[in-house]
Amino acid sequence: EAQVTQNPRYLITVTGKKLTVTCSQNMNHEYMSWYRQDPGLGLRQIYYSMNVEVTDKGDVPEGYKVSRKEKRNFPLILESPSPNQTSLYFCASSPLGREEYEQYFGPGTRLTVT
Amino acid sequence: KNQVEQSPQSLIILEGKNCTLQCNYTVSPFSNLRWYKQDTGRGPVSLTIMTFSENTKSNGRYTATLDADTKQSSLHITASQLSDSASYICVVSSQAGTALIFGKGTTLSVSS
Repeated sequence: EAQVTQNPRYLITVTGKKLTVTCSQNMNHEYMSWYRQDPGLGLRQIYYSMNVEVTDKGDVPEGYKVSRKEKRNFPLILESPSPNQTSLYFCASSPLGREEYEQYFGPGTRLTVT
Repeated sequence: KNQVEQSPQSLIILEGKNCTLQCNYTVSPFSNLRWYKQDTGRGPVSLTIMTFSENTKSNGRYTATLDADTKQSSLHITASQLSDSASYICVVSSQAGTALIFGKGTTLSVSS
């Protein structure tokens, strides 16, 4: 089944404790992206990657890191999480090359930083 | 500044009725416009994608229109069902699907 998976789905952590949220897709998509969703603000792009070893900042990259060492994986790293990073996070992927290709979203990761 | 504005913010309709959601954007350059449906706590699911040259696209009971001249789009839902209750998000791409600008969404509640 074609899908985007995220782990963990739920995470409660404390300020300053490094964490990684994994994202994996099995559709051989070139493009992957991370978003956060907060009430009243909608979805905002954190980072995106157009292929292996190619990453770029989105609208809200501060406090986050990403890497793209393999085509299928795009982990999101919070080196020193803070309470303002409490949010619902989504990973997404899509092919590149045609404008009408849609993005497939993962199920989301709900992060709480205390 | 690239922006996507949606209206109304929320909407309540009776089952079986039609409704139309609006999206205005100021994104430039324009590549394509997408409508997503998002159930509470779940990832968005694509409904339609329209490029500059398309002015209407349907997906079952969902019909999206695009006026690239006025930078407006609408999503029309016909014969609404309880399962249509969700948030509907308008997304505009400025560079062939890479830099996406999201609207804040319209929350639709369909009641029986």
